[in-house]
Formats: sequence, C-alpha cells, structure tokens
Amino acid sequence: GQSLEQPSEVTAVEGAIVQINCTYQTSGFYGLSWYQQHDGGAPTFLSYNALDGLEETGRFSSFLSRSDSYGYLLLQELQMKDSASYFCAVRFDGGSQGNLIFGKGTKLSVKP
Amino acid sequence: KAGVTQTPRYLIKTRGQQVTLSCSPISGHRSVSWYQQTPGQGLQFLFEYFSETQRNKGNFPGRFSGRQFSNSRSEMNVSTLELGDSALYLCASSPGQGNTIYFGEGSWLTVV
Repeated sequence: GQSLEQPSEVTAVEGAIVQINCTYQTSGFYGLSWYQQHDGGAPTFLSYNALDGLEETGRFSSFLSRSDSYGYLLLQELQMKDSASYFCAVRFDGGSQGNLIFGKGTKLSVKP
Repeated sequence: KAGVTQTPRYLIKTRGQQVTLSCSPISGHRSVSWYQQTPGQGLQFLFEYFSETQRNKGNFPGRFSGRQFSNSRSEMNVSTLELGDSALYLCASSPGQGNTIYFGEGSWLTVV
C-alpha cells in the first residue's frame, strides 16, 4: 500500500527555522509536493521535488532524497502568518490526481 | 484568472438526506478531483474527472458519486447521509498533466 508519515504538530518561535519531515512508502514515485493550509482556508501549493536535492522558493525550501524515501520542508525566518497545517503529497503514478496521496498534515504553531 | 469556486460553502443536512456540491474549476482546467477532509485524517481522495469521464476513484462507498459537465464544472453527490459524512469537501482542478493542483475553499457539510 501507500503511506506517508509526517509529525502531527510542530511549535517554533518567530524568526526561527523549522523543518517538517515526510517519509513515504509507495509502489512508485513521481514526485513529492508540499501544500499549506490555513485554518478555514484552501490548501495551496508550496513546492515540488521530482529529483534529489533542495528546491528554494523565498523563505521556504524543500528537500528530497529518493534513496531514503524522505523529504522535508524548511521554513526560515518564521512569521506568525506561517502558522498553518502543512501537507506532504506523493505522486506514485503518472496522470490521474488519484495517484496523488497526502499525508495527514503537520500543524505548525509560530509563537512570538 | 478566477480560482476554483465551490458552492455552497456551508450546509447542514439530516441523516438519510442527500446532498449535491458544486465546483467550477479554473478556466482551461480539464481535470477536477474531489477530496474529503476530516480532523486527523488529512485529505482523502474521492474521485477525479477529466473531460467528462471518471478517471480514478478512491475507496469510498457507492453513496458518493460525481459527474463532470462539458464546461468542466463538476458536481458530487452523497446519498443517504450518515453522521460520519460530516467533513470539509474540497474540489481541486488542474490542467490535466503536471503536479500542481489548485484547491477551492471547500464546502463544509454537517450531518445531524
């Protein structure tokens, strides 16, 4: 079967750096994505890794190691507005969105 | 470009009733997928439609159904509602290929 594991909650202070890990077990692998969801809002796309290494987009970076079936999202210079849930998602086959599975999410709380 | 629009945003239904939720994708997007989100369960894939055809289906009972119209708008229907169907139902659209999907704000369904 397919499964993703990520921590349920993480707490950090404003200005700090936080890393949210994601490990996966899937029958195939086409890429790892990250989505952010604020309470009451829609999930929004943050980043995508298909190959090993680090992808940087402003304060957010995402890393992938396919040999370890592992990735992480790194948030730097944390701001209060970063308080949200973060979901990793793995595409285990091409084409259909049904081949994209989501982790249960990590709730990030940023404190002053 | 307008985002994904879902209606209604909030609704309350009684056990045994049925409900229809609507989704208008981003203009030009041909793929529409539906997800159920409940606390602690993350995003669970319901089904995906592409060019009016169901392309994939998740592991939900037959009470959950959907369809897509020629203008790519989609509806999902849940019949014989149960208390456990209370959830946020999210619609997402994508061009059909690629790894980024765009979510709507969701429809909050409460079954009493």
